Amino acid sequence: DAKTTQPNSMESNEEEPVHLPCNHSTISGTDYIHWYRQLPSQGPEYVIHGLTSNVNNRMASLAIAEDRKSSTLILHRATLRDAAVYYCILRDVPGLRGQNFVFGPGTRLSVLP
Amino acid sequence: AAGVIQSPRHLIKEKRETATLKCYPIPRHDTVYWYQQGPGQDPQFLISFYEKMQSDKGSIPDRFSAQQFSDYHSELNMSSLELGDSALYFCASSGTGSRALQFFGPGTRLTVL
Repeated sequence: DAKTTQPNSMESNEEEPVHLPCNHSTISGTDYIHWYRQLPSQGPEYVIHGLTSNVNNRMASLAIAEDRKSSTLILHRATLRDAAVYYCILRDVPGLRGQNFVFGPGTRLSVLP
Repeated sequence: AAGVIQSPRHLIKEKRETATLKCYPIPRHDTVYWYQQGPGQDPQFLISFYEKMQSDKGSIPDRFSAQQFSDYHSELNMSSLELGDSALYFCASSGTGSRALQFFGPGTRLTVL
């Protein structure tokens, strides 16, 4: 599995944007970039995913570098509820059944009021 | 929208006892994944099933077994429980049309005394 590297922790002030980086220099051409987050004592929650183009949804934006060796999850206005561990995960092309996720250390985001 | 259901939510067992965890995937999802998350750890993949057949296997101990039934729900059976089995156990499901995405349940917290 291609490896991802994320900072262990980050801090943000409430209502400010947050940029969470992820390095994946060994990404293959068919790997999708997924972001999940896990709030305390809850199951991981899907945030966003993409392949090459930047992606936006109601939760966040995903900016993917042109060479795909890095990506950034952007929370446009952090709230206290966004405090969680954020995981950047690479997974091959959809359609392959039963492909598990490999959760790395992730980034623990703290949001200050 | 319906989510992944896990039962029980909490379970306390003694060493050497057995435990059965249940997972009910999102309707029309055909793939189920089991993950174990120890205290302060990241989720670790155990096993997955697609259309009632085992599709992938991770770091699942030989004392554990699992299966997926005709209604697509899954059960994780754990025998000869050890103190180190105390963890959160998450089930996730995925299905056609969103094969890349896994949707996680709230987890079962198992405590072995």
